[in-house]
Amino acid sequence: QKEVEQNSGPLSVPEGAIASLNCTYSDRGSQSFFWYRQYSGKSPELIMSIYSNGDKEDGRFTAQLNKASQYVSLLIRDSQPSDSATYLCAVKDTGGFKTIFGAGTRLFVKA
Amino acid sequence: GAGVSQSPRYKVAKRGQDVALRCDPISGHVSLFWYQQALGQGPEFLTYFQNEAQLDKSGLPSDRFFAERPEGSVSTLKIQRTQQEDSAVYLCASSLGSGDGYTFGSGTRLTVV
Repeated sequence: QKEVEQNSGPLSVPEGAIASLNCTYSDRGSQSFFWYRQYSGKSPELIMSIYSNGDKEDGRFTAQLNKASQYVSLLIRDSQPSDSATYLCAVKDTGGFKTIFGAGTRLFVKA
Repeated sequence: GAGVSQSPRYKVAKRGQDVALRCDPISGHVSLFWYQQALGQGPEFLTYFQNEAQLDKSGLPSDRFFAERPEGSVSTLKIQRTQQEDSAVYLCASSLGSGDGYTFGSGTRLTVV
């Protein structure tokens, strides 16, 4: 059973700080990795995708990938209260068509 | 359309009733996925369509669950003889290719009483 593991949190950070969200995965051959943000009562929204080792930056968001360690992370700089949500790590399954989601990390940004 | 549209937004079904959930994906998106999300959990894969072909239905939890996408656009997820454990949010997502990130619809919250 292929797995995507995340700390459920909650992770609480003060406004303006860096929030660091982590994820590990079991499928060593995975090539495609995603971060989704899900506000309470809403559906997931794609915020980042990453396919190569290293860092990928998009505005206040940086995704980091280390395939050797099977580790993906998301950094949110200058965290805002509006960033408070559940962040889902997702990994494309190499054995099929689906993407496997972690259970998510709840982030609270305190004003 | 501009986004993925799902209907109904909420559905309350009596145990044993059949339900049908509709998904209208983004125009031109070849790939369409159905996921089930329980409270406090990540989405769990149900089934995948590439155009009208259902290429993976390994996540459907029982033979009471059936999905179709007959013309390669709108898809319907049908649940027969609903049971309480079917209560969840059912999410539809579409993408250009199966390896791309998804655009999710707003979901259908199914409550079986």
